[in-house]
Amino acid sequence: GEKVEQHESTLSVREGDSAVINCTYTDTASSYFPWYKQEAGKSLHFVIDIRSNVDRKQSQRLIVLLDKKAKRFSLHITATQPEDSAIYFCAASRNSNNRIFFGDGTQLVVKP
Amino acid sequence: AQTIHQWPVAEIKAVGSPLSLGCTIKGKSSPNLYWYWQATGGTLQQLFYSITVGQVESVVQLNLSASRPKDDQFILSTEKLLLSHSGFYLCASRDRGANERLFFGHGTKLSVL
Repeated sequence: GEKVEQHESTLSVREGDSAVINCTYTDTASSYFPWYKQEAGKSLHFVIDIRSNVDRKQSQRLIVLLDKKAKRFSLHITATQPEDSAIYFCAASRNSNNRIFFGDGTQLVVKP
Repeated sequence: AQTIHQWPVAEIKAVGSPLSLGCTIKGKSSPNLYWYWQATGGTLQQLFYSITVGQVESVVQLNLSASRPKDDQFILSTEKLLLSHSGFYLCASRDRGANERLFFGHGTKLSVL
């Protein structure tokens, strides 16, 4: 089955700098790659996603890159703010499949 | 707008006691529904999913069961809790048949003592 690995368990950046979180996956049939944010003591909420028919997507300060050859995708947060501090989870799934595989999460700390 | 209500918000239970956690979805018709478990500060483990009333698929066996008695309701239960059941339980929904984002409920924190 699919295995999603998140390479940074913790990441610390200064406010205003960029943060990059990297994930790899194993299943070449995976086609949907969402990212979720979990603030301390709270549930997850969706932040951005990318599908396998594109290699880049941007939503305001968030950029997702997908490299299908390397089976790697990454979340870039530009101009970080303290409220970006949270755990970020990457995930992968196939089309029309109800198995959604998550990485182990990256704790992002944005220092003022 | 879609809302997911989970109950209870938190629960403290004794080992060996029964458990029932619930999830109700409003504002979405016939969604796919999911149960996830998260150990404290840990990764997410998908437990069950359901694509329609009365149909539940198990992803991993943790001495838990799930049921979908109504289109907008998903129940997680066990007759005998283990210490290892402690953690954060999350219900999520997704549009049927669509490879789209998950909407998560606020979660239930379970402590088994």
